[in-house]
Amino acid sequence: AQKVTQAQTEISVVEKEDVTLDCVYETRDTTYYLFWYKQPPSGELVFLIRRNSFDEQNEISGRYSWNFQKSTSSFNFTITASQVVDSAVYFCALSESRNFNKFYFGSGTKLNVKP
Amino acid sequence: DGGITQSPKYLFRKEGQNVTLSCEQNLNHDAMYWYRQDPGQGLRLIYYSQIVNDFQKGDIAEGYSVSREKKESFPLTVTSAQKNPTAFYLCASSIGGAASATNYGYTFGSGTRLTVV
Repeated sequence: AQKVTQAQTEISVVEKEDVTLDCVYETRDTTYYLFWYKQPPSGELVFLIRRNSFDEQNEISGRYSWNFQKSTSSFNFTITASQVVDSAVYFCALSESRNFNKFYFGSGTKLNVKP
Repeated sequence: DGGITQSPKYLFRKEGQNVTLSCEQNLNHDAMYWYRQDPGQGLRLIYYSQIVNDFQKGDIAEGYSVSREKKESFPLTVTSAQKNPTAFYLCASSIGGAASATNYGYTFGSGTRLTVV
């Protein structure tokens, strides 16, 4: 079974629209970490955020915000007023306390922001 | 600046050849990883190493081999036994090793695109 599901394969929006990327995870551990990474066309994955399982506070960083809800096992990512430079593939990932070194990545959501 | 260097950026391999992908980090990270990415798919773990001279198989280790003789280096060899090696390969590192109780996440290299010709 998939531990991390990103159901949206590809999303297209027009610049300045808000967009939410969904991430649903599955784990039996009580201690775990969730991550979002951005992969621009250059290929390198760029770290965006880390959240541990004991911290359910939502976080905002500029135009980015994250909504962590343990009740629904979701860790969604919203970009407000999207820009062309936001075009990339976004990955959600999970690591569990039984082995923090092993990450489970979702299949990614490709975001296309058109001018 | 500290970071992870992968080389080469593009690599072409003939059928039946072994090739080695380089990964070097100067972040003083204990753990290093190799992932494979295929079009439209997520990242799949090939091998990882938590300390020097030790490494573990990931989910798709068949047809690959690694070594970890130095903390800074974690080369990946794609052998002729790997039936479908054409893919994008990403190397990563993280602060935490085997004893880490906190996960600070990965730092990734820029990747190597391997094509079989």
